[in-house]
Amino acid sequence: GAVVSQHPSWVICKSGTSVKIECRSLDFQATTMFWYRQFPKQSLMLMATSNEGSKATYEQGVEKDKFLINHASLTLSTLTVTSAHPEDSSFYICSAQTGTNSPLHFGNGTRLTVT
Amino acid sequence: GQQVMQIPQYQHVQEGEDFTTYCNSSTTLSNIQWYKQRPGGHPVFLIQLVKSGEVKKQKRLTFQFGEAKKNSSLHITATQTTDVGTYFCAGRLYDMRFGAGTRLTVKP
Repeated sequence: GAVVSQHPSWVICKSGTSVKIECRSLDFQATTMFWYRQFPKQSLMLMATSNEGSKATYEQGVEKDKFLINHASLTLSTLTVTSAHPEDSSFYICSAQTGTNSPLHFGNGTRLTVT
Repeated sequence: GQQVMQIPQYQHVQEGEDFTTYCNSSTTLSNIQWYKQRPGGHPVFLIQLVKSGEVKKQKRLTFQFGEAKKNSSLHITATQTTDVGTYFCAGRLYDMRFGAGTRLTVKP
């Protein structure tokens, strides 16, 4: 089946530093990947839609300069949290799909803690 | 904007009891998907419903899509401890929107 690998699974960083999270589709090509943020015991909040070879589409209220998304190839999208602050601490999950109406395949998520 | 509402937020049942979670959209959806997220895990795709009035079954799980394609439900018969987790619906109009999820706990 379709596998999405997300790395790292957890990261601790100091306030003011930047963190890059990778999302890879291992056995399929994903023209579209999605990035979510999930607070404890809450739903998935869509942050942005990442399209291969073009700029990401950000949801309202998500700072594009803070959450940089790059979708350089059909199998890789990256999310960089720039100048991280403690309030950015959260669980970030990516997903990818093989086609517009196909199921979403999720990565294992990245637990970010900013100290 | 497009919204998907899901209730209840939490459900605690005794093992063997039934469980139902409901999703409702403010707009007609092209399809709806259901996902399960185990504690500490990531969402895993369960099923997709596309047709008006569609009903699909997976063992003890029954999924329904309303006639107007605005609501959907997931029903679990005779819950087991392995059913524990959060169940999310995700409705598609122009893009996928997730419901808030229903967190199911099962007491043995």
